[in-house]
Amino acid sequence: GAVVSQHPSWVICKSGTSVKIECRSLDFQATTMFWYRQFPKQSLMLMATSNEGSKATYEQGVEKDKFLINHASLTLSTLTVTSAHPEDSSFYICSAPEGGRTYEQYFGPGTRLTVT
Amino acid sequence: AQSVTQLDSQVPVFEEAPVELRCNYSSSVSVYLFWYVQYPNQGLQLLLKYLSGSTLVESINGFEAEFNKSQTSFHLRKPSVHISDTAEYFCAVILNYGGATNKLIFGTGTLLAVQP
Repeated sequence: GAVVSQHPSWVICKSGTSVKIECRSLDFQATTMFWYRQFPKQSLMLMATSNEGSKATYEQGVEKDKFLINHASLTLSTLTVTSAHPEDSSFYICSAPEGGRTYEQYFGPGTRLTVT
Repeated sequence: AQSVTQLDSQVPVFEEAPVELRCNYSSSVSVYLFWYVQYPNQGLQLLLKYLSGSTLVESINGFEAEFNKSQTSFHLRKPSVHISDTAEYFCAVILNYGGATNKLIFGTGTLLAVQP
């Protein structure tokens, strides 16, 4: 099956710094990728839809300037958490639909972000 | 509003006992239905899905779910659980708007805790 990777798998950063998370589709192209955030023992909340070659679409309540998304190629989307604060600590997960079929989404293993 | 409800936040069960994890949804359009499993500190893995056709769908590891349109449910069942089935299980839907970029909407998850 299709594989989606994320890097890094975990990261610790200091408050006020920025951190970049990568999401790659390893064996297929994805014009769209999705970014989710998951708090401990809670469900996944869609943050934004990443679109190759165009601007990301953010869900209501998600700060665009805080969570910068860049979909630079058909296999790579990045999420940059700018000026991170402890409340940004969370588990970030990306997914990519294979062949543009949103009902065939493959999830990355997630990135654990801890802001101290 | 469209939503997914998993009434049970945690289901404790003894090994080799049967289990049912409940999922109900509300939607004004047709849906695709999914069950995902998440092991600790990992991403999501697709367990099974219903897109169309037979309302009973099965996974390779003994789980099954039945789409019940009249009851708007998609409960997950397994006749005999193993310790290794201990994980968080998420029910999710895609609202089928017929070609638009469709988003996964997740339930709050159910922790299946299998005890020896």
